[in-house]
Amino acid sequence: SYELTQAPSVSVSPGQTAKITCSGDRLGDRYATWYQQTPGQSPLLIIYQDSRRPSGIPDRFSGSNSGNTATLTITGTQVLDEADYYCQAWDRGVVFGGGTRLTVL
Amino acid sequence: QVHLQESGPGLVKPSETLSLTCTVSGGSIATYYWTWIRQPPGKGLEWIGYTYHGGSTNYNPSLEGRVTISKDTSANQFSLTLKFVNAADTAVYYCARLDDGSGSRLDFWGQGILVTVSS
Repeated sequence: SYELTQAPSVSVSPGQTAKITCSGDRLGDRYATWYQQTPGQSPLLIIYQDSRRPSGIPDRFSGSNSGNTATLTITGTQVLDEADYYCQAWDRGVVFGGGTRLTVL
Repeated sequence: QVHLQESGPGLVKPSETLSLTCTVSGGSIATYYWTWIRQPPGKGLEWIGYTYHGGSTNYNPSLEGRVTISKDTSANQFSLTLKFVNAADTAVYYCARLDDGSGSRLDFWGQGILVTVSS
């Protein structure tokens, strides 16, 4: 079965750039999707088709996908961006990465 | 704006059957893929399965044999049943809409419902 791998945690200082990666075999040949989940809330779609942002998602969130790695980049990270981030791809069904907890401090 | 709401019992006994319903408003379930996802306490997201076009289904192989997803288009609802539950099935269960056009994305989610498996 297809697997997506994420680092368990990433830390960043406020105002800096956070990069969260997601690795999978030839992931660049598929579309990568990203979700943000804050405590007690449902996941929120923030990036789809590798780099597209749904309406209402701030432009400090961006995405890329090439080779075996998809990357979510948060530019000018804010304290309110502290959350769990999940990548997702399609392989005869929905596949999620294990999630990355972003700490902003 | 599409809104999804999960409903069902919050407590299920081991070896029994978990049954949940997702009621959709603001859009018809006759189109798109309608999905169940779960999240054990403190853990990540797990795709359970979905129903689509005319009632076809696709399930996570790890749950195949225990899970059934069905839909009632007239009521604009879709449902999850999971048989022979055990403590590992304790989780927040989410229903969501899957847009499969040009790459899959779960664009609308319910608030989630915690289901605890315990005697």
